[in-house]
Amino acid sequence: DTEVTQTPKHLVMGMTNKKSLKCEQHMGHRAMYWYKQKAKKPPELMFVYSYEKLSINESVPSRFSPECPNSSLLNLHLHALQPEDSALYLCASSLLLAAAFNEQFFGPGTRLTVL
Amino acid sequence: KQEVTQIPAALSVPEGENLVLNCSFTDSAIYNLQWFRQDPGKGLTSLLLIQSSQREQTSGRLNASLDKSSGRSTLYIAASQPGDSATYLCAVSSLSSNTGKLIFGQGTTLQVKP
Repeated sequence: DTEVTQTPKHLVMGMTNKKSLKCEQHMGHRAMYWYKQKAKKPPELMFVYSYEKLSINESVPSRFSPECPNSSLLNLHLHALQPEDSALYLCASSLLLAAAFNEQFFGPGTRLTVL
Repeated sequence: KQEVTQIPAALSVPEGENLVLNCSFTDSAIYNLQWFRQDPGKGLTSLLLIQSSQREQTSGRLNASLDKSSGRSTLYIAASQPGDSATYLCAVSSLSSNTGKLIFGQGTTLQVKP
């Protein structure tokens, strides 16, 4: 299995809702990433997990809460989001975090709309 | 601070043409450079990864080259097809940060007309 899967494909939520995005890979990768991408812009890194521990938080607001329950699964919990958080949320994984091994493989993304 | 630039931002060519996409970076101290393809509203598909010790990589009709000393990479697409229409992103992994952080360019949006 050489792919990264993400669910749901689309999500519409109100500003008071709580929802979660899910990402899964079965390539034995030990580094997993969350990115946010706005229209016509490159992806922006949000969080990086290495061996299920949070390694990088790019000063993301606390209304985004990541979780890595095991080496194959990465979640992003969403609460009290703002309309400007509407974007494509991408998950990626790489063999390891170290730059020499960080060829990244991306999932198809979750299109999030906050009303 | 590493910066990655892709020029042009958009490119339109007739089917069958060979074309070159450009990527430049300001700091030559990189581990590797990755080229991605992104279709509208979709995730990124990894096309080619070039390690800093390599000069080029090939996959089918795609050839990517790397010149670290000049801070440049090119993605050559041979015999372009309408199915090649997409946004192409390059991203570098810098030596200054021994983490998985990629620095992306803004992308080149390619349209191949039948």
